[in-house]
Amino acid sequence: GENVEQHPSTLSVQEGDSAVIKCTYSDSASNYFPWYKQELGKRPQLIIDIRSNVGEKKDQRIAVTLNKTAKHFSLHITETQPEDSAVYFCAASSSKSTFGDGTTLTVKP
Amino acid sequence: SAVISQKPSRDICQRGTSLTIQCQVDSQVTMMFWYRQQPGQSLTLIATANQGSEATYESGFVIDKFPISRPNLTFSTLTVSNMSPEDSSIYLCSVTPGSRGHEQYFGPGTRLTVT
Repeated sequence: GENVEQHPSTLSVQEGDSAVIKCTYSDSASNYFPWYKQELGKRPQLIIDIRSNVGEKKDQRIAVTLNKTAKHFSLHITETQPEDSAVYFCAASSSKSTFGDGTTLTVKP
Repeated sequence: SAVISQKPSRDICQRGTSLTIQCQVDSQVTMMFWYRQQPGQSLTLIATANQGSEATYESGFVIDKFPISRPNLTFSTLTVSNMSPEDSSIYLCSVTPGSRGHEQYFGPGTRLTVT
């Protein structure tokens, strides 16, 4: 089955800096790669996704890149703000999603 | 996105008992899933709830322990049977509306504590 590895497990940045979270996947059949943000005590929320026919996608301060050949994808957050502090999960999906272990992002004011 | 509700939001149960969690969606959806999330951990798929047929379980999860129903395209239940403290976790319903491909949305979760 699919295996998703996510790094780093924790990330601390200063407000205004950029944050990058990286994921690798194993199953070449995966064709959809979403990212979720989960605040403490809340449900995971879809923040951005990318499909296998696209190399990059951007939505305001967040962007995702995908390298199908290398089987890795990354989340980039620019101009970080304290409200970006949360746990971020990547996932790889064909018919069902396999999630990474999560990255706890802390943005220090 | 779909509006998803779960009941109960939390419960404290005695070991050996069973709890049924309900998931209701405000519109018909293609896929419904049940996940477990233990404190500080990632999301683990328990099963895919299939409308009108038996659920598809992931490795490590069995129907006798986690029976699932999906009588229609907007509703599903997950039962946690013969509970033990190891079943203490957050259980999340998730749906893929289908109108926008794979996009997946989560319910608010049910926090279960087994004593």
